[in-house]
Amino acid sequence: AQSVTQPDIHITVSEGASLELRCNYSYGATPYLFWYVQSPGQGLQLLLKYFSGDTLVQGIKGFEAEFKRSQSSFNLRKPSVHWSDAAEYFCAVGASYGGSQGNLIFGKGTKLSVKP
Amino acid sequence: EPEVTQTPSHQVTQMGQEVILRCVPISNHLYFYWYRQILGQKVEFLVSFYNNEISEKSEIFDDQFSVERPDGSNFTLKIRSTKLEDSAMYFCARGSGGPGETQYFGPGTRLLVL
Repeated sequence: AQSVTQPDIHITVSEGASLELRCNYSYGATPYLFWYVQSPGQGLQLLLKYFSGDTLVQGIKGFEAEFKRSQSSFNLRKPSVHWSDAAEYFCAVGASYGGSQGNLIFGKGTKLSVKP
Repeated sequence: EPEVTQTPSHQVTQMGQEVILRCVPISNHLYFYWYRQILGQKVEFLVSFYNNEISEKSEIFDDQFSVERPDGSNFTLKIRSTKLEDSAMYFCARGSGGPGETQYFGPGTRLLVL
């Protein structure tokens, strides 16, 4: 069965420090992978996605993620965190076979807190 | 720039009452989705809707739920007889279709069933 695991429920980093949020997926075919961010009281905003090609993908707000098939991972990184990055981050996998409109399967999310 | 707007932003209802949540795309789209997020839990897929028909639904989407696009614009999720456990944030998303499509989410409707 398809699934997404985000092993860290809550992470706290200092402003200016680097960040890595972990995501592991279980999917039989080639996955399409996404990272979304949710600020308090807001909807889900797409940060980046992996579709094919280069395994290192760049997103908005200075985020990047690397797809590692051998590790079934798609970790999100940012070299220097800003206070405004405090939010909840969701990793998701989408269906990749034709004919399906591809519902997204989400992980449970990682809440990021940023210390001044 | 919002891709999708949702109304209402908040709704409080009594158990057993019907609720209708609305999703209004900014431009003309064909692929729509409803997801829900119970407080403190992950976002869960409910249903996908393409060309005015349900294309896929999860086990959560039982007979209490229905979706339609009554006027060719608004996309609605109806819960016929709400239960306490229906309390959640409900997100509408629109997609471009096809494998690996990106889904753009609305701000959500927070539903509280008392």
